[in-house]
Amino acid sequence: DQQVKQNSPSLSVQEGRISILNCDYTNSMFDYFLWYKKYPAEGPTFLISISSIKDKNEDGRFTVFLNKSAKHLSLHIVPSQPGDSAVYFCAATEDYTGNQFYFGTGTSLTVIP
Amino acid sequence: DSGVTQTPKHLITATGQRVTLRCSPRSGDLSVYWYQQSLDQGLQFLIQYYNGEERAKGNILERFSAQQFPDLHSELNLSSLELGDSALYFCASSAALGGASTDTQYFGPGTRLTVL
Repeated sequence: DQQVKQNSPSLSVQEGRISILNCDYTNSMFDYFLWYKKYPAEGPTFLISISSIKDKNEDGRFTVFLNKSAKHLSLHIVPSQPGDSAVYFCAATEDYTGNQFYFGTGTSLTVIP
Repeated sequence: DSGVTQTPKHLITATGQRVTLRCSPRSGDLSVYWYQQSLDQGLQFLIQYYNGEERAKGNILERFSAQQFPDLHSELNLSSLELGDSALYFCASSAALGGASTDTQYFGPGTRLTVL
């Protein structure tokens, strides 16, 4: 049972435009959320996170939005760059000191020059 | 480079066989996590070790086992392999027990296991 879902397997965006990657979750006990980025032949690398006490967290070109009532989070990348082309995974954990991360299936982002 | 190393990078074996995957965490990291990524699946958490002791267990099959050694490297043992065990196996490490807000997990490049 997939508790974290990324329903869009792929996304293509023009360079300079906004990329919006979406993630839905089913477990209302999740209270910490993360985005990881993965290039081919490499492991995932941490990108940005947000706790459930916030609804927005920003780090440079990357912003994560959390809508707890909808059990939905999104990652915005503005402006998108060709180097952002990668697979993006969202992950969630059940408590603030969680050991077990639940990952989505990933969205492959292609930024077209 | 995350500082987490995994060997081998690729492994091809037959059904019924047993294999061992190895992970060396980042220097100083005490926690090691194992994940499985099957085709079209997200990363599935298997197990976590902290300073040599098992700390958390996920969807790990009974045919699979892991351990963390005194030098903090970890091994994931997969036995009686089935076709469905073909997957990417990632190891991650973190400094402490796993407080997600301050304890990022750093992932290795993965071991691709193919069971024929």
